[in-house]
This record gives sequence, structure tokens and C-alpha cells, in this order.
Amino acid sequence: GQQVMQIPQYQHVQEGEDFTTYCNSSTTLSNIQWYKQRPGGHPVFLIQLVKSGEVKKQKRLTFQFGEAKKNSSLHITATQTTDVGTYFCAGRASGGSYIPTFGRGTSLIVHP
Amino acid sequence: DAGVIQSPRHEVTEMGQEVTLRCKPISGHNSLFWYRQTMMRGLELLIYFNNNVPIDDSGMPEDRFSAKMPNASFSTLKIQPSEPRDSAVYFCASSPQGSQPQHFGDGTRLSIL
Repeated sequence: GQQVMQIPQYQHVQEGEDFTTYCNSSTTLSNIQWYKQRPGGHPVFLIQLVKSGEVKKQKRLTFQFGEAKKNSSLHITATQTTDVGTYFCAGRASGGSYIPTFGRGTSLIVHP
Repeated sequence: DAGVIQSPRHEVTEMGQEVTLRCKPISGHNSLFWYRQTMMRGLELLIYFNNNVPIDDSGMPEDRFSAKMPNASFSTLKIQPSEPRDSAVYFCASSPQGSQPQHFGDGTRLSIL
């Protein structure tokens, strides 16, 4: 079955440093979604990417979808303590299951 | 707008007891998902309903787990009998259609002693 892998599992950064998490799928994706879960909270939808090579920005967050639609990344510029949490990608396979498969997530810890 | 509503928020019970978790999806959403989250296994999809019909229950761990969706505004996840290894946070999520972004509830934090 489809697998969605995220790396790294954990990332410690000093406040102000950049952060990137990567998502890789074993199959071609029709779209990919990104979610953020704050400690003690629930996953919250951030964005969806659909097109090959697509790049979207939300303030300090930049999301990319690979040309082959098998990988994606989330980059945060100049992290702040409010960025702390776990970032999940969820990919829907092309021609496969109608629902997205979640990765294990990357937990971001920001040290002030 | 009201989001996905789950109850109870916390549940502590002894092993062997029956546990029932409840979920009210966002009105108008046709898809409903139950997830289990633990440190060891991450976020696992247990079951997915579309238009109140279970479509994929391959993630349900074993026969002790069952889920129902009697109508578009209510779903339950039942564990009978419960075991300590069932301790986790259980999330319910809904979306307009299965492939669209999901809205998660606050979760139920379940502890089985």
C-alpha cells in the first residue's frame, strides 16, 4: 500500500533559525496536504498543493510540491517559539485510495 | 461555525470496561474519520465513513473495536473490552468529501488502567 514518509522525526532549532521538513511518497500523488498540531492540540489544516512543481507561501512558511509529485517540503524561515508543534503531510495517491495517507510527522522544538 | 465536536474530552477507566467515544461532524460534511494517536505509532486511521457508510475499516485493530454512524450528524467508536494498550488520543475528523482537507476535533484522551 501507499506509504508516506517524513524526515526528520524531530528537529531542534534556535529561535531565528530556519527549519525544513520533507515528505516522500512511494507512489505518485494527486495532491498533498500539510497540517500543524500544537502540543496538546489537534491537527489543523494549513494548505493543499495540487500541481507539479507548485510553490505556495504563508508568511514565513513555504510549501513545495515536487515536479514528479512524489515529494513535498515545508520550509519555515526565521522560526519563532509559536512555530513549535508537529507538522504532518498527508498525500493522496493518484488512482488509488480516495483519502489521504498521513506521514508520521516532524516535531519542531524551538529554543528561545 | 461549530467545528467537529468530540466527547468525552478525557476518559479514565479500568481494563475490561466498555468505552464509547462520540463525534459530531461539521454539518454538511460527507466524510468522517476516526484516528488513534500514540507516541509509538503516530496518527493511525482506524475507519472512514462516506455518507454514513463505512468505506475502509482496515485500520481497526481488532474485533474489540467497532464504529457506527447512524446518521449524518453522529458517530461512535466503541471498545469492548478495553485494554491498557488502547490508551491513546482518539481523534474524529470530517471533510466535505474524502479527499478534501480534514477538520479535526479536540480529541478524547483515553487512559485504560
